[in-house]
Amino acid sequence: TAGITQAPTSQILAAGRSMTLRCTQDMRHNAMYWYRQDLGLGLRLIHYSNTAGTTGKGEVPDGYSVSRANTDDFPLTLASAVPSQTSVYFCASSDFGATDTQYFGPGTRLTVL
Amino acid sequence: QKEVEQNSGPLSVPEGAIASLNCTYSDRGSQSFFWYRQYSGKSPELIMSIYSNGDKEDGRFTAQLNKASQYVSLLIRDSQPSDSATYLCAVGNRDDKIIFGKGTRLHILP
Repeated sequence: TAGITQAPTSQILAAGRSMTLRCTQDMRHNAMYWYRQDLGLGLRLIHYSNTAGTTGKGEVPDGYSVSRANTDDFPLTLASAVPSQTSVYFCASSDFGATDTQYFGPGTRLTVL
Repeated sequence: QKEVEQNSGPLSVPEGAIASLNCTYSDRGSQSFFWYRQYSGKSPELIMSIYSNGDKEDGRFTAQLNKASQYVSLLIRDSQPSDSATYLCAVGNRDDKIIFGKGTRLHILP
């Protein structure tokens, strides 16, 4: 099985442009997460979804939005990118919540100029 | 603010020795504890999970949990150069959120 896939692998984006990072899992996990990872700051939760149809805000949600129309897909949208959103973005999933192992996708490296 | 603290390292350990990685957490109600390994440029992958006080062993890896001291550790026996990576401690708290530490860089010296 593929597990979790993310697209694109990397992207350079002009400030002010919008972009959607895609995340798909084939494990039928209930919960999905979006993190950003920055040097010296570790993994920070942006948004999460405990089950299809629900979403919640994490530690750093400003400037990002998510949707969870079905179990498998959890896209992350930047409506108007800013340079501070330059980061590596990881999507993850788990069968339950914080008590369960999270499985990570390969990541998307985003540079906003 | 619920926190998970780790020494950033780098922690240098000779090949064949025991590497000891430590993590403290602030939320006394935390219920689940994880160690992830992350190679440079790659995504985190689970090494160990632990939910009860005491030790849990899996091959060369042992996780230790002490809830009274709010302390979790990971021991790697017979360290290999392939163990060189960043190790992330993660804690699932009572709000059903998982908090990651910033990671400890481990370098195994051949």
